[in-house]
Formats: sequence, structure tokens, C-alpha cells
Amino acid sequence: QLQLQESGPGLVKPSQTLSLTCTLSGASIASGNDYWSWIRQPAGKGLEWIGRMYTSGSTNYNPSLKSRLTMSVDTSQNHFSLKLSAVTAADTAVYYCARGTRESSGYDFIDFWGQGALVTVSS
Amino acid sequence: DVVMTQSPLSLPVTPGEPASISCRSSQSLLNSNGNNYVDWYLQKPGQSPQLLIYLGSNRASGVPDRFSGSGSGSEFTLKISRVEAEDVGVYYCMQGLHTPRTFGQGTKVEIK
Repeated sequence: QLQLQESGPGLVKPSQTLSLTCTLSGASIASGNDYWSWIRQPAGKGLEWIGRMYTSGSTNYNPSLKSRLTMSVDTSQNHFSLKLSAVTAADTAVYYCARGTRESSGYDFIDFWGQGALVTVSS
Repeated sequence: DVVMTQSPLSLPVTPGEPASISCRSSQSLLNSNGNNYVDWYLQKPGQSPQLLIYLGSNRASGVPDRFSGSGSGSEFTLKISRVEAEDVGVYYCMQGLHTPRTFGQGTKVEIK
């Protein structure tokens, strides 16, 4: 059974870099039709798509975050990572990692989410 | 970015009764292959979102058949034929045609 577990510091100081890792269990991160996403949710608010990447290294980032964002995949560790630099209080949120998959028509969609990790940006 | 607008934002429901949520997009989500690129998710209290519907009308694995999705172009609807207590939570639509992916504001469904 697939499980996604986010991990990383729960508190980050302003202007520093937020780093999170999502570890898979029950599946291989190198599965052919899958891709790996990050989505965040400020407290009491809606969902914001951060970006996604494939194990090939191809990425799609939200333009609003692109200049500060780096995603990477480590197939040997079966995990993928998010780095967001120069954070401010506006980056405080629950960060979800998620799996996307492609169905027969070629459409890809997010079908499984991790439990989420709260990251607070504060001095 | 494509703006997704849901209505209502709050929906009190009676168990056993039907419920309906609307989602409108600022751009058409109809792909040239004839499919509508919109998904629906439910975030139950204290949980992460779970996929209900993909490609506008396809139920995800394990989703009860009381949930259905419909619509085309820029207007979409999620219907629950008979609401059960376990259906409470916040429902989100998400467009999958344009990058960045964008979500609706969410519709909070609660039992009357």
C-alpha cells in the first residue's frame, strides 16, 4: 500500500530556505507513469499547487514561486524533495507531497496525497 | 492563471438528501481530445485531500457511486445523490489543462 511521508524542519526563519523531503513506501518512485508533486495549504485557506517533477528530471513549477523553487528526486533513496528559498511569513502552510499518474488517454492527475507537514516561517 | 470559482462556499445538507456543487473556470477546460480536464477532491476534517473524480466524470478507485461529476467547457458540477454523514468536509475542484494547476476556493459541506 502506497504511503507518502513528508519530513523536514517545522520552523524556518525568514529569508532562509525551506527544505522538505517526501519518502515513499509501498511503491517505487521510478514507476513509469508517475510524477511527484507538492501542494501547500495555509491555515484555514485553500490549496496552492507548487509544482511537479518526473524522475527524468523534467519539472513544472508554479510561476509565482519559480524563482525560489527547486525540486529534486533521489531514486536510490525512494524520495523526492522541495527547496523554497528566501521564505517569508506568507510561506507558512501545510505542505503536501503527492503522486500524480497518467491514465490511458494521456491525462495526468494527482491521485494520492501524503498527510502533510506544517512549516512555520518565523524568527 | 486559470481561476476556478466554486459555489456555494458553504453547503448544509440533510443525510439522505442530494447535494450539488458548482465549479466554473475562467478558461475552457475542454481538451482537443474531447475530455474535460477537471478533477474533484474531498478533504475530510483533519485529513489530506482525496481524489473523487478525474477527467470531469470518472470516479476514482473506491469512490462510492453516489458521487458523480458532469459538465463541459467551463462549467462543472459534482453531485452527491444521497449524502451520508461521512461525506462532510471541504470539496475542491482543480483544473488539469493549464500550468499552474489551480484549485477552487473549496465548498464546505456539513450536516444540518
